[in-house]
Amino acid sequence: AQTVTQSQPEMSVQEAETVTLSCTYDTSESDYYLFWYKQPPSRQMILVIRQEAYKQQNATENRFSVNFQKAAKSFSLKISDSQLGDAAMYFCAYRQTSGSRLTFGEGTQLTVNP
Amino acid sequence: DTAVSQTPKYLVTQMGNDKSIKCEQNLGHDTMYWYKQDSKKFLKIMFSYNNKELIINETVPNRFSPKSPDKAHLNLHINSLELGDSAVYFCASSPQASGFYEQYFGPGTRLTVT
Repeated sequence: AQTVTQSQPEMSVQEAETVTLSCTYDTSESDYYLFWYKQPPSRQMILVIRQEAYKQQNATENRFSVNFQKAAKSFSLKISDSQLGDAAMYFCAYRQTSGSRLTFGEGTQLTVNP
Repeated sequence: DTAVSQTPKYLVTQMGNDKSIKCEQNLGHDTMYWYKQDSKKFLKIMFSYNNKELIINETVPNRFSPKSPDKAHLNLHINSLELGDSAVYFCASSPQASGFYEQYFGPGTRLTVT
C-alpha cells in the first residue's frame, strides 16, 4: 500500500521569506500523481500544485514550486515570498494513475509571522 | 456558484442517532468521494462513486452507507452514531475516476457526537 509521510508537523516562516515543506512517499508504481493541498482555517481544501511522476520538470505555480526527486521518492513544496494568507495546514497527497483515491500525508501546519 | 456543496456544515447529535450528510456538485463531474478528517487532521478516503457506481469502499463500519441517486449527488447516511464518528466529513468530485485531475472539495461537515 502506498504511504505518504510529512515529517514536519509544524513550520514557521517570516513574511516575504521562503519556506520548504517536506514530503516523502512509498510506492512500487513507476507512474503516479502527486499533489499539495492547502487547508486554511476556513477548512476548505484547496489545490496548490500537482506533478505527474513521468515528467522530470518540476511544477511551478506562481510563488509555489516543487522539488520532485523520483528516485528518492521525495516531493517537497517551496513557498517563495511568503504571505500571511499562506498560513494553513498543507497536505501532500499521492494518487495512482489508474486509481482515484488520494492518499494523504499527516499534514504540516504552516505559520507565517509578520 | 458553489462547485461542491455539503449540507449541513455543522451537525451535533447524540449517540445512537441516525443522521445524513448531503453533497451536490454542479461541475458535471463523473466521480464523487467521501473523505473523513479525524481530530488529528488526518484525511482518509471512505467511499467513491463513478457514474453512480460504487468503486471504492474502504474498511469503514457498515453503519456508514453512501448513496448516489445521480452523478451530481452523493449522500452519506450514518446509523447508530458513536462518539468515535466525530470528525469532519468532506465530499469531493473529479471529472473522471482516473487521470491527472484535481479533486474539488466541499466545505466539509463537522459532525459532533455527544
